[in-house]
Amino acid sequence: QVLLQESGPGLVKPSGTLSLTCAVSGGSISSTNWWSWVRQPPGKGLEWIGQIYHSGSTNYNPSLKSRVNISVDKSKNQFSLQLRSVTAADTAVYYCATELGFGVPSFDPWGQGTLVTVSS
Amino acid sequence: EIVLTQSPGTVSLSPGERATLSCRASQSVSSNYLAWYQQKPGQAPRLLIYGVSSRATGIPDRFSGSGSGTDFTLTISRLEPEDFAVYFCQQYDRSPMFTFGQGTKLEIK
Repeated sequence: QVLLQESGPGLVKPSGTLSLTCAVSGGSISSTNWWSWVRQPPGKGLEWIGQIYHSGSTNYNPSLKSRVNISVDKSKNQFSLQLRSVTAADTAVYYCATELGFGVPSFDPWGQGTLVTVSS
Repeated sequence: EIVLTQSPGTVSLSPGERATLSCRASQSVSSNYLAWYQQKPGQAPRLLIYGVSSRATGIPDRFSGSGSGTDFTLTISRLEPEDFAVYFCQQYDRSPMFTFGQGTKLEIK
């Protein structure tokens, strides 16, 4: 059973860079799944940020593509998110998630989520 | 980008009643890549339904999904107290791009 755990600073200054890591346990990040980041502003809906494959291939939401980088560290069985030039609009709970299975583009499981606040 | 519109925004029902939640897509959803999630306060979303109508592991059979093309429905046959939550639909297209609906809040009447 794959478990995901997000970690990283809970407070980021405006214009700074948000950096989060998702540790994968109970399975290998080198499986056939893609690994995603999803965010949810307080009281609002869900927004897919992007995904990565263990080979390093990535896909990003066009609305965030210019500011996002997702990377993978197979030696540590984890993947990471960097979001540059953040503003208050980037304040959200950030989730990591993976696909239910190969060729099944639905998210299961999810990490518990981590709240990141952008504020000076 | 395919936009998903869920209705109603909020629905008030009593335990034991039937709930019908709608998700409409701005374009046809390819290969039936449509899923439903349940989210309770302070928790991550939980996958209920994938591929329009397949229940995820451990999901009770009172939850069912249906639809095709641009119109999809999540039905909860007999509401249990633990079913009151927010529900999101989600689609995938081969851009690739994932989008979510804005959510339907199911509240106790």
